[in-house]
Amino acid sequence: GAGVSQSPRYKVAKRGQDVALRCDPISGHVSLFWYQQALGQGPEFLTYFQNEAQLDKSGLPSDRFFAERPEGSVSTLKIQRTQQEDSAVYLCASSLQGTGSYEQYFGPGTRLTVT
Amino acid sequence: AQRVTQPEKLLSVFKGAPVELKCNYSYSGSPELFWYVQYSRQRLQLLLRHISRESIKGFTADLNKGETSFHLKKPFAQEEDSAMYYCALATGANSKLTFGKGITLSVRP
Repeated sequence: GAGVSQSPRYKVAKRGQDVALRCDPISGHVSLFWYQQALGQGPEFLTYFQNEAQLDKSGLPSDRFFAERPEGSVSTLKIQRTQQEDSAVYLCASSLQGTGSYEQYFGPGTRLTVT
Repeated sequence: AQRVTQPEKLLSVFKGAPVELKCNYSYSGSPELFWYVQYSRQRLQLLLRHISRESIKGFTADLNKGETSFHLKKPFAQEEDSAMYYCALATGANSKLTFGKGITLSVRP
């Protein structure tokens, strides 16, 4: 079956531009996570959705970062006024249930480069 | 706050040699630990979790709460094991993951 998909796969933005990154989770998966992976680092948690509810946004680095999942399926991560430090791979993951230790399935990521 | 430490960035071994990838964690609650793997040009995927206590592709990992460690081991490395390996800790009601920095395993023929 289809896994988690993300688009675009690559994005180059000039400093100050707004970007929108899309995640299509596995159908029926309740939980959706966004992670940020800087070069040479492990992924770092950004935010979590259970269906359409954003239950944890403790990892968002600034108020320039905004995420939504209005219908409980597709999610969009938006970054306003991009800065060079935003350059990273943004990973989306989904899992079947809302709580408990369920496997997170990762997408291929979107590599964002801010010039 | 929770933390996952992978002290080495690179491990290079010959085919057939034993492998041990180190992982230490810091967490005040009851830990749920995972190993994720990323092969070249592929996405991050779960290798194993401590709860299931299973062996995947010959890899095993035992949770040692006394030493706060979850080292990944394989007795005889294969070339196809070459990949990036991340140790991760799940915390909170939503089981968000805290990852280590990862280690590159290179298995030479």
